Amino acid sequence: GAVVSQHPSWVICKSGTSVKIECRSLDFQATTMFWYRQFPKQSLMLMATSNEGSKATYEQGVEKDKFLINHASLTLSTLTVTSAHPEDSSFYICSAKTLFYGYTFGSGTRLTVV
Amino acid sequence: QKEVEQNSGPLSVPEGAIASLNCTYSDRGSQSFFWYRQYSGKSPELIMSIYSNGDKEDGRFTAQLNKASQYVSLLIRDSQPSDSATYLCAALATGGFKTIFGAGTRLFVKA
Repeated sequence: GAVVSQHPSWVICKSGTSVKIECRSLDFQATTMFWYRQFPKQSLMLMATSNEGSKATYEQGVEKDKFLINHASLTLSTLTVTSAHPEDSSFYICSAKTLFYGYTFGSGTRLTVV
Repeated sequence: QKEVEQNSGPLSVPEGAIASLNCTYSDRGSQSFFWYRQYSGKSPELIMSIYSNGDKEDGRFTAQLNKASQYVSLLIRDSQPSDSATYLCAALATGGFKTIFGAGTRLFVKA
């Protein structure tokens, strides 16, 4: 139980375009979704926290206008990387808190901006 | 700045040996601690959680917590090549909302 489905698993996009990443909780309701970014050989860095029906809370240094987060329902949260640039290339992972299984992660999205 | 510190490794152990992974944390208010395993290109998967001082065993894994020393460790007994991965230590920050991750320790188990 407590599965978060994340897609796409990988995406290559041109510089200046936007990319949307979706995370769906399949068998539970995710009131809160955490969005992380991980650069190679580095730790997971929390970017923002989204709560269903309200505005996301962004960590210091994360541009809210660049990384748009929408959490319109209890089972879906999306992260849109707008006007992507090569430095945005990274591994993006969502995570939700479950009632019985702690924090569960999506499978991650490898974004490459060329 | 709340931090979780880990030795980046790599830690190399022979198959069948005990692998010992260590972690320290700075937030004295943290009450919950986690060890995740992350294979290259994959998202982390939870191995162990520990909330009380002492040892917690689950199969080949033993987590140890010492809140006075702000120290968490993970022992892997009878290490297997399939255990080769990056192990992330994480602490739930004061308030119980955000999880702070260490940078991870790379483990290689040699066959």
